[in-house]
This record gives sequence, structure tokens and C-alpha cells, in this order.
Amino acid sequence: QVQLVQSEAEVKNPGASVKVSCKSSGYTFTSYSITWVRQAPGQGLEWMGRISPYSGHTEYAQKVQGRVTMSTDTSTSTVYMELRSLRSDDAAVYFCARGERTFDYWGQGTVVTVSS
Amino acid sequence: QSVLTQPPSASGTPGQRVTISCSGSTSNIGSNYVFWYHQVPGTAPKLLIHVNNQRPLGVPDRFSGSKSGTSASLAISGLRSEDEADYYCAAWDDSLSGPVFGGGTKLTVL
Repeated sequence: QVQLVQSEAEVKNPGASVKVSCKSSGYTFTSYSITWVRQAPGQGLEWMGRISPYSGHTEYAQKVQGRVTMSTDTSTSTVYMELRSLRSDDAAVYFCARGERTFDYWGQGTVVTVSS
Repeated sequence: QSVLTQPPSASGTPGQRVTISCSGSTSNIGSNYVFWYHQVPGTAPKLLIHVNNQRPLGVPDRFSGSKSGTSASLAISGLRSEDEADYYCAAWDDSLSGPVFGGGTKLTVL
């Protein structure tokens, strides 16, 4: 069965970087893009960007452009999302999801806390 | 502020039919498919409706979606206690070249 398994929760200081992983299984990894969506406490869903594991092509939301990098490791079917220069408003649950427009499978979420 | 507009809350009693609206613009709902996700707090969202009105395998036919112009709606009939969750609409936005979401509607089953 399709599964997306994310890395554990992270606590970071303002200004630091965080790298969250999303390991896929149960399907052909290179056949679907992986999208990252975040959810601040008590808030809605916000698209951060996506990566094609097939080509490595990325698209980032304007709000995080310049601070985010998404990458893939096809040998382990894992996608990474690194966010730099963390601010307090980056504190959120970060989800990976399969697909570019239809998000049919989601990871369990990774809590990122930004606190000094 | 979310690009798509949803009412913050909705409610109904068991067995009732409730609808949740989602309003957008010509660059998103008006020219692209609408999706609906539901999320039990503390868990990941789950796909409920795709391509405006299609249910993925396993989603009961109590859930239905529709779209007209720049608006969409989700209808839940035969409301059940386990339907209590947050519901989000989404659509691709041609101006942003990415998906946009509604702010979410918290459904309470009284």
C-alpha cells in the first residue's frame, strides 16, 4: 500500500535551518511529484512547493522562495524539504503529499517548533 | 488570508444534510478542478472529492461535490458523528502556478 513516512519532530532556534524527510513506498517513486504543505497552529493549509522525483524540477511558493530547497534521493525513494533562516511564523506541521494537483496520499506530518 | 473563502464553521444533527461553500475567482475555481479534503485535528488531511465531484475509492456516496462558475460546494447527507472534522477546499491557481486552499470549515455534529 502507498505510504509516505516523515521524519520526527524538530525544535529549532530562530535563524537556524530544518530539513524534513518524506520516504515513499508502495508505488513507483518517480511517477508522482511530491508536494509540501504546511499548517500553522490553528490555521489552514498552505502550499510550499513541489518536486518531481523524475526530473528533479522544483516549483516553490513565493512566500518561501529563496529560503526553501526540495531535493530527492531516488535510491531511497525519499524527498527532503529544507527551510532556512527560520522565523517564528515558520512554526507549523509540515506535510508531504503525493501529487501535483490531486493529493491522494499524505505523510503523517512533522511538527517544527521555532523557539529560542 | 486564504485565497479561497469558506465559512469558518458549520453544524448539523445526525441524519441531516449540510453543505459547505467555497468561493474563489476565475484564476482558480473558475478555470480548474476543485478538490475537498477532510482533516481530523492532529492527523493528516485526506482526499474526499477530486475533479469537482468524484469520490476516491472508499469515500461514501453521502459525500458529494459540485461546482458552478467561481464557487463550489460540498454536501454531506445522512450526517454522522464521525463526520466531525475540518473540511478544506482546494484548486489550482493559474496566477500563482500552484494550488490554493480555503481557510477550512469546522463541522460540528450536534
